[in-house]
This record gives sequence, C-alpha cells and structure tokens, in this order.
Amino acid sequence: EAQVTQNPRYLITVTGKKLTVTCSQNMNHEYMSWYRQDPGLGLRQIYYSMNVEVTDKGDVPEGYKVSRKEKRNFPLILESPSPNQTSLYFCASSLRGGLGEQYFGPGTRLTVT
Amino acid sequence: AQSVAQPEDQVNVAEGNPLTVKCTYSVSGNPYLFWYVQYPNRGLQFLLKYITGDNLVKGSYGFEAEFNKSQTSFHLKKPSALVSDSALYFCAVRDNRGSTLGRLYFGRGTQLTVWP
Repeated sequence: EAQVTQNPRYLITVTGKKLTVTCSQNMNHEYMSWYRQDPGLGLRQIYYSMNVEVTDKGDVPEGYKVSRKEKRNFPLILESPSPNQTSLYFCASSLRGGLGEQYFGPGTRLTVT
Repeated sequence: AQSVAQPEDQVNVAEGNPLTVKCTYSVSGNPYLFWYVQYPNRGLQFLLKYITGDNLVKGSYGFEAEFNKSQTSFHLKKPSALVSDSALYFCAVRDNRGSTLGRLYFGRGTQLTVWP
C-alpha cells in the first residue's frame, strides 16, 4: 500500500530536549516536505527536498533541521524545542518536484512544555 | 511575494445545494494550483490540480475548480453538496521561480459545513 508514515504520532516533551520526527515513504517519490499546521494559520512549509541530498527552506525553517540521505526518508529534527513549536506536523511526498499530488502522512502532534 | 488567500474562514451550505470555496493567488510566472481536503483528525488528501490546459479542472468526489487567470482565482465548486463533504479545505500554489522552485504555499483553510 502506498503510504507516508510518521513517528511518533504524539509526543510531549520539555523545552530544550532534542527530538526527531521520522518520515518515510514507499512510493519512490523524489519530492518530500514538512509542514506545520496551526489554528488560523493553515499549513506552513518548514523544509522541502527535491531529491536526495537536496534540501531547501520553506516559510518557517527557524528552529528545525532536516536531512535527506536516502530517497525514502526525510526526518525532521528539533535541536532545542521551544513551546512555540507546539503544533501538528505533517510530512508529505510527491513526484515531479511537487507538481504531482502530495501524499500526506497522518500527522505528529507535538507539545513542548 | 507568492501567496494564497482563502477569503472565507467558514462556508455553510444546505445539502443538495451548490457550493463554492474561494481561492485567490499571487505568483510570478505560470501558476500551479492545488486543492486539498482535510477530514477531522486526518492528514490532507489531494482533490485536484491545475497545471496547464482547460480552465475547468475535475477532481475527486465530484469536485471541480475553475482557473481564472485575469482574476487570479481558483475557486473550488461542487454542483450538489453532501453532508460528508463537511471538512477543512486548503488551496495551495507551487512556486516556479528558479531559486525557490518547489516551495508550496497554502491558504489558511476554509471550513465547509454542509447541513442536512
């Protein structure tokens, strides 16, 4: 089954404790992206990757890191989380540099206290 | 700057009536436009896209969207709404400029409620 998986689905952590949210897709998509969803702000792109070893900043990259060492994986790293990073995070993938439909993961709800 | 606006936070419509969810965009060059839907506690699902060609694009679940270049709009429509269409709808535009090729901009979303 074609899918994008994210782990963990829920995470409560404390300020400053490094964390990683994993994202994996099994569709051989070149393009992968991370978004955060906040009430009243819609979806905002954090980082995206056009292919392996190619990553670029989106709208709100501050406080986040990503890497794309393999085509299927695109982890999101928060080196020192802060309460303003409390949000719902989505990973997505698509063909053709984002021109194709994006397949979204189920989301990760992160709370930073 | 590239941007997407969804002017209505909420749209309410009776089942069986036509619905429209509005989207306007600002982008350099040719626009690549998308609509996504989010059901409660779910990820987003693709509905339809406009890349080139016919201004009327047909998508999933009976939805369609009309691309209007002069008005820079890409409104989502359905001839006859269903209660099950109640969800959060997002419009998005893909950046096509060289330095930011691949960036995607989403609107703030429009909550559609279809009442029986």
